[in-house]
Amino acid sequence: QQPVQSPQAVILREGEDAVINCSSSKALYSVHWYRQKHGEAPVFLMILLKGGEQKGHDKISASFNEKKQQSSLYLTASQLSYSGTYFCGTAFSGGYNKLIFGAGTRLAVHP
Amino acid sequence: DAGVIQSPRHEVTEMGQEVTLRCKPISGHNSLFWYRQTMMRGLELLIYFNNNVPIDDSGMPEDRFSAKMPNASFSTLKIQPSEPRDSAVYFCASSLSGNEQFFGPGTRLTVL
Repeated sequence: QQPVQSPQAVILREGEDAVINCSSSKALYSVHWYRQKHGEAPVFLMILLKGGEQKGHDKISASFNEKKQQSSLYLTASQLSYSGTYFCGTAFSGGYNKLIFGAGTRLAVHP
Repeated sequence: DAGVIQSPRHEVTEMGQEVTLRCKPISGHNSLFWYRQTMMRGLELLIYFNNNVPIDDSGMPEDRFSAKMPNASFSTLKIQPSEPRDSAVYFCASSLSGNEQFFGPGTRLTVL
């Protein structure tokens, strides 16, 4: 049931782009994206609720393909502050949003 | 506005001892989640409550773990007796009606 994230790790130069994928073997109700910096708690980025929905927030956006049961997170023109581990959390039904988190993708942005 | 508050921030104890972790959710939030994070197992949901009622405790590893939410502003996660394999960071998170979850700073537990 745990979603599969890919890649496991990414190294970027400042200004480069990256895509992080999250796939589920089970039909999804929603996908949540979080970022966690070392030694800190996960911080919410965005929720995607409908198939094909794309949301954005600054230079970070995401899409949700309900048919393919997957979501992708797009980081454009990366900044040093984007470094951290990105987790997708998947919910299989509405209501209380019980999330199952993927293993995470470690992103390091260098000058 | 205060976020989710957890205490203690660090706990070091010996195997066999009882450990109690505490959480105060954001005022007005009606859902509360307890997670455990380790390098090996990642971020695992242990139990969650809605309106103070436990909804799903299928993630609680064994009977040594128990959680309570006596009122809307307080929850505890208890491990009795503790074992070295319980060493992890335990996060509490709260949300309003299943929307974004706000995580507390976590409790780093070390069981010797």
